[in-house]
Amino acid sequence: RKEVEQDPGPFNVPEGATVAFNCTYSNSASQSFFWYRQDCRKEPKLLMSVYSSGNEDGRFTAQLNRASQYISLLIRDSKLSDSATYLCVVNEEGAQNSGGYQKVTFGIGTKLQVIP
Amino acid sequence: ETGVTQTPRHLVMGMTNKKSLKCEQHLGHNAMYWYKQSAKKPLELMFVYSLEERVENNSVPSRFSPECPNSSHLFLHLHTLQPEDSALYLCASSQLAGESDTQYFGPGTRLTVL
Repeated sequence: RKEVEQDPGPFNVPEGATVAFNCTYSNSASQSFFWYRQDCRKEPKLLMSVYSSGNEDGRFTAQLNRASQYISLLIRDSKLSDSATYLCVVNEEGAQNSGGYQKVTFGIGTKLQVIP
Repeated sequence: ETGVTQTPRHLVMGMTNKKSLKCEQHLGHNAMYWYKQSAKKPLELMFVYSLEERVENNSVPSRFSPECPNSSHLFLHLHTLQPEDSALYLCASSQLAGESDTQYFGPGTRLTVL
């Protein structure tokens, strides 16, 4: 089983639609979770962290389900500019491992294409 | 945005060449990373430096040799690469033992090995 698993898509949705992505992780001890956005031929950039209580940032909502070991990202009122690949990122050993750095594992990413 | 810069942005090299990739971070971070991103694969962590010491080497072939002379600079020395090494090489940095655990990426070097 992959450490971090995502449906690569693509998800083709019309403007204004609501779309949701899920990501599952295998390490139950994982503590930190993130969604990154990567535009075509660009570097990944942090979209939002995912907290246990769930969090919202404008049209974006992230949820964490520890029991089922998955995180989700919901995008409401999709814009053309939301077209990108969304990477699920999991800190696999907790907030700090023995090396004192943030070791994270990336999913393959889910490609979203918002169409006019 | 110039938090993490990488040069060159594009590189084409033959299998017998020697080249180096450079990364510089201006964020005051103490951890730096090299990742490889190939088509249809997730980012693969290659090396991690924490306080200028290598703390992770993810079974990377010896034809890739990292160097971290100080906390702001990271190099990846390349020699006798193979065509399958063609990929986007991303550098990232993060704080060490800090409250923020976000990794900030550079724009990457797109490498083609002929």
